Amino acid sequence: NAGVTQTPKFRILKIGQSMTLQCTQDMNHNYMYWYRQDPGMGLKLIYYSVGAGITDKGEVPNGYNVSRSTTEDFPLRLELAAPSQTSVYFCASRPQGEGFNSPLHFGNGTRLTVT
Amino acid sequence: GQQLNQSPQSMFIQEGEDVSMNCTSSSIFNTWLWYKQDPGEGPVLLIALYKAGELTSNGRLTAQFGITRKDSFLNISASIPSDVGIYFCAGTTYSGAGSYQLTFGKGTKLSVIP
Repeated sequence: NAGVTQTPKFRILKIGQSMTLQCTQDMNHNYMYWYRQDPGMGLKLIYYSVGAGITDKGEVPNGYNVSRSTTEDFPLRLELAAPSQTSVYFCASRPQGEGFNSPLHFGNGTRLTVT
Repeated sequence: GQQLNQSPQSMFIQEGEDVSMNCTSSSIFNTWLWYKQDPGEGPVLLIALYKAGELTSNGRLTAQFGITRKDSFLNISASIPSDVGIYFCAGTTYSGAGSYQLTFGKGTKLSVIP
């Protein structure tokens, strides 16, 4: 049982380049999330999805896009990378349930550096 | 949005010592959660608290949901080297239309000296 799988683990981008961070889960979870983690700042929600075909903005969505064509996959797209997007990105999922009684399952993160 | 004040930011303790960390907020939360993040990995849920005043244990870990619903603490007893990591508190608030907002604290980095 793989859980939440993120690829790549590490990436270095030049300013203005684009890339897609991949996230897939094999637990048939409806809810999926993208967070970024900056040192000493906790986790900030970028985008989330409550099911295939439905996405919504989180706290810090600017500079990112997402899509949810299947239950399993929730890729995060950076169109024009900026140094401010240097961070560790975590994808998470959870089954549908009442509030957060169903806990978040996190991937192992993608460490992105933009120079 | 809601903010969580987590303290301490970091701590160094001797193996075998007990540890205490807490989160406070000016907002009321429906649920309090405590996560641990090992180096190079994603956070993993340790304890979830659902009712004001609730006290829950998970092995050497004990956490409480404050009676005012604005705070929570996590205690670790008899620390061991594998307790090293970053501990995050998180709280949920109902944001309407059946959806909840999850807010994370900034984390407490724990180092255990053998």
